[in-house]
Amino acid sequence: AQSVTQLDSHVSVSEGTPVLLRCNYSSSYSPSLFWYVQHPNKGLQLLLKYTSAATLVKGINGFEAEFKKSETSFHLTKPSAHMSDAAEYFCVVSDRGNYKLSFGAGTTVTVRA
Amino acid sequence: NAGVTQTPKFQVLKTGQSMTLQCAQDMNHEYMSWYRQDPGMGLRLIHYSVGAGITDQGEVPNGYNVSRSTTEDFPLRLLSAAPSQTSVYFCASTRGSGSPTYEQYFGPGTRLTVT
Repeated sequence: AQSVTQLDSHVSVSEGTPVLLRCNYSSSYSPSLFWYVQHPNKGLQLLLKYTSAATLVKGINGFEAEFKKSETSFHLTKPSAHMSDAAEYFCVVSDRGNYKLSFGAGTTVTVRA
Repeated sequence: NAGVTQTPKFQVLKTGQSMTLQCAQDMNHEYMSWYRQDPGMGLRLIHYSVGAGITDQGEVPNGYNVSRSTTEDFPLRLLSAAPSQTSVYFCASTRGSGSPTYEQYFGPGTRLTVT
């Protein structure tokens, strides 16, 4: 069975400060992990994905995530937040070989000027 | 490539009405799926298909039907709409076999309100 827990439902940061979104996963097999972003009234856009190659994954718009098997975590970070980063972020897991995605409940990010 | 397309973008139904949400992809993807998004719950899998003629239930299938007669199309049918089906619906597709990361491509969504 696979599941995801996003540890924060809401994160508020000041523009120019770091962003950290926390995600823990549970997977019976070697997982595939993803972060998606959803801007208000928009569809989902893939930020980055973990493919079992490098444990530090770089994505679009300056985001990166580190896969830590011992901690079953896949936290998303960005060194400097921009106003355009205000959105909802979803951590997603699928067991390798399983097409089904399991989504976390989402983390809403607000960015203060 | 248009990617994954969904119609309509918005729909209002009365309780008991039926309708079909359309989903199409032009990437020759084997795997397609339907999700619903509700506040604070992320996206939940309704039904999925691993190829033409093959469908299966996801996490929340009750009240919905699907069929897959072609690779391109995967319509979602609401048999008798209920207020609990008010949600945003997303269709997704992926290449499937030969795609080790199973990255999925999402459509723009259909916002459904049932009164």
